[in-house]
Amino acid sequence: EAGVTQSPTHLIKTRGQQATLRCSPISGHTSVYWYQQALGLGLQFLLWYDEGEERNRGNFPPRFSGRQFPNYSSELNVNALELEDSALYLCASSSQGANYGYTFGSGTRLTVV
Amino acid sequence: GENVEQHPSTLSVQEGDSAVIKCTYSDSASNYFPWYKQELGKRPQLIIDIRSNVGEKKDQRIAVTLNKTAKHFSLHITETQPEDSAVYFCAASLSGNTGKLIFGQGTTLQVKP
Repeated sequence: EAGVTQSPTHLIKTRGQQATLRCSPISGHTSVYWYQQALGLGLQFLLWYDEGEERNRGNFPPRFSGRQFPNYSSELNVNALELEDSALYLCASSSQGANYGYTFGSGTRLTVV
Repeated sequence: GENVEQHPSTLSVQEGDSAVIKCTYSDSASNYFPWYKQELGKRPQLIIDIRSNVGEKKDQRIAVTLNKTAKHFSLHITETQPEDSAVYFCAASLSGNTGKLIFGQGTTLQVKP
């Protein structure tokens, strides 16, 4: 069984540009969760998608957005990139919800220069 | 509030010794407490979890204890090995179906051969 896959592995963008990160959940998982892991700041909750709908979002500005497609894959978009957006962005999926644990992908390392 | 405090931030032990990492959570309605291990450059992986109706859970060399009254839970690793070296994150669920886990800041464990 394939795990959670994320692409690209690395992404370098210039301040002010837009970044698009992609995630495919484990087959059969309908929920996708996005986290930001900035250096020294742990994992910060960004977004939760389930059955194509945004169910919850963390304390991030509106320029962080995303969507979930009918095949349950998901996209995270970050507009008007700022230097402090540089981080590892992790996607996770779950079949039964957050209270049964996530399976994380390997992440996308976003560097804003 | 939503907060999980994790200590220590770094921990160095000799191979064969035990390691203990402690977390305190703020939401008294939290009922699910997973622990993730993240090796350098890899994805966080769920290693053990515990629910609020259980006080202790063990899986080979790792164990987790939960004190609901004190809102405190701990990870215990016995007979540490060099391959246990990694960053360990504790997390706690929130009341309601938020899809969100609140993570601690992480503990970097170094096991010296």
